[in-house]
Amino acid sequence: DTGVSQNPRHKITKRGQNVTFRCDPISEHNRLYWYRQTLGQGPEFLTYFQNEAQLEKSRLLSDRFSAERPKGSFSTLEIQRTEQGDSAMYLCASSSTGQGVEQYFGPGTRLTVT
Amino acid sequence: GESVGLHLPTLSVQEGDNSIINCAYSNSASDYFIWYKQESGKGPQFIIDIRSNMDKRQGQRVTVLLNKTVKHLSLQIAATQPGDSAVYFCAESGAGGGADGLTFGKGTHLIIQP
Repeated sequence: DTGVSQNPRHKITKRGQNVTFRCDPISEHNRLYWYRQTLGQGPEFLTYFQNEAQLEKSRLLSDRFSAERPKGSFSTLEIQRTEQGDSAMYLCASSSTGQGVEQYFGPGTRLTVT
Repeated sequence: GESVGLHLPTLSVQEGDNSIINCAYSNSASDYFIWYKQESGKGPQFIIDIRSNMDKRQGQRVTVLLNKTVKHLSLQIAATQPGDSAVYFCAESGAGGGADGLTFGKGTHLIIQP
């Protein structure tokens, strides 16, 4: 396992459609995070899982967003009824309990809503 | 709300010179401060962190300084190389022992002049 992987890398969708992204963390990591990054800005925290439990959600995570990590391994982030303002890079990161604050980021999924 | 930010959007340095990237933060309750490097098309990469009870920490070619009196964080890169060209973000973590979503600043684009 060489790092965090995300699929797809790019997604173009029409406004109103639903999209789902997948994140595969580093295999021994029990913590998983989702962030959103728009051009020229730093990543913004969306949500955090420890194993399969979703422990924290940002106010940025509107009702149209849902994240799951059913078996405590990979995670999915779904956006329903996409809006143009959802266009951004969606980053996933993982870390391990007791190994400090370092979060390992994946390459991201770039979403473009037309 | 409280946030982490950076002083300069772009910093241009000569190859071989030392670089200093600055960051101001406002949340005095943050426990860790972290520097990330993000190259074009990639996710952020951890560089170094410092806990709030420290004022200096050194890594390989990098030094992070924390001044809690003025809520200022800096990253010093020694003998800057072309591979150091990237956007640098400071981020903060709360008191959750690493189990927190990070709050990122806006980033400083480091440009290396040959």
